[in-house]
Amino acid sequence: NAGVTQTPKFQVLKTGQSMTLQCAQDMNHEYMSWYRQDPGMGLRLIHYSVGAGITDQGEVPNGYNVSRSTTEDFPLRLLSAAPSQTSVYFCASSYNEQGQPQHFGDGTRLSIL
Amino acid sequence: GQNIDQPTEMTATEGAIVQINCTYQTSGFNGLFWYQQHAGEAPTFLSYNVLDGLEEKGRFSSFLSRSKGYSYLLLKELQMKDSASYLCAVRDSNYQLIWGAGTKLIIKP
Repeated sequence: NAGVTQTPKFQVLKTGQSMTLQCAQDMNHEYMSWYRQDPGMGLRLIHYSVGAGITDQGEVPNGYNVSRSTTEDFPLRLLSAAPSQTSVYFCASSYNEQGQPQHFGDGTRLSIL
Repeated sequence: GQNIDQPTEMTATEGAIVQINCTYQTSGFNGLFWYQQHAGEAPTFLSYNVLDGLEEKGRFSSFLSRSKGYSYLLLKELQMKDSASYLCAVRDSNYQLIWGAGTKLIIKP
């Protein structure tokens, strides 16, 4: 029972670099999402997907891209890293978007220098 | 705008009872969740309320009043391991979760 797996757990980038945060779930969940968590603020939704081939923007999508080619995987791409993107990133999944609790990965702690 | 308000920090004594409040103003309502998050870890699901009233789950209970835009999480027989942040989240009319900033609960012996 792996649940939601995120890699890497920690990453340091330089401004302008790009990278992909990986997220995979083995629960056959249709709904997947990416959040960022910053001190003193609630989790903020970056992008989400209601199923393979379908993605949509959340509250703070600028500077990030996603794709959902399979039910299991939902990678998050930082196009050109900026210090403002220093944060803890969580991937979450649920059976659907209606009334089901989300299962979270362990998070990726990302620092942009 | 949409808003979830929770106290930033609370302190309680081991063995006691604590109530963590959450008030919300959202565009529509499709359920309220409580999550627990230990420092450096992922949030984990505690409870879900969609109808008014109290939901009890062992030492934890959650209450909802939709007319007042209000919920609380009640933790009984506090243990040291309950030291964590407690996150309130509301699912709005678009079925998106709006999250509060969380309440850091400190348990003292």
